[in-house]
Amino acid sequence: DADVTQTPRNRITKTGKRIMLECSQTKGHDRMYWYRQDPGLGLQLIYYSFDVKDINKGEISDGYSVSRQAQAKFSLSLESAIPNQTALYFCATSDTRGSDIQYFGAGTRLSVL
Amino acid sequence: GQQVMQIPQYQHVQEGEDFTTYCNSSTTLSNIQWYKQRPGGHPVFLIQLVKSGEVKKQKRLTFQFGEAKKNSSLHITATQTTDVGTYFCARQNSGGSNYKLTFGKGTLLTVNP
Repeated sequence: DADVTQTPRNRITKTGKRIMLECSQTKGHDRMYWYRQDPGLGLQLIYYSFDVKDINKGEISDGYSVSRQAQAKFSLSLESAIPNQTALYFCATSDTRGSDIQYFGAGTRLSVL
Repeated sequence: GQQVMQIPQYQHVQEGEDFTTYCNSSTTLSNIQWYKQRPGGHPVFLIQLVKSGEVKKQKRLTFQFGEAKKNSSLHITATQTTDVGTYFCARQNSGGSNYKLTFGKGTLLTVNP
């Protein structure tokens, strides 16, 4: 969805480095999510936020942290990247008024060497 | 638990053949959402089913929700190469984490022209 923007689109980093993936949205949605996608494993929820002051752990939060800087911005950090965090990462948004249909960004492909 | 199981994991068809993917849960679902992810793309919402026994159609796609609200299916009639992609079902979790979706692992459809 063009209204959900993820940066960078691709990133190669080294083990032990700290990196941040950013997500911004112009949809005016209150809810934002970070997912990780590995081949054959579907979409696994890392963290989610229902408003600026609300942060919740998902299924696989270990090794990750998030920050909801504003309603429109939700960033994901890897404090010390490791190779098994190599994956495709998606940000998504949803609206409490819209049956919580989720709108995804284009994704960030991360490689940790 | 709050998981959904999708079968099959992969399906390869000849163009013009029909295709069906199934989504099953051991517990009753409040609703079920379906998403499609094209190769190299991001998940895109297709439809939401809410009522027991509900059937919805989108052109060649037919979505069903089981009478017991524990399973759902997506059927594509006369597949086309544009149908290629991974189809995910997602359940909306109940309780305090309302509106958090749990995705199935998806069914990857490939179509031979």
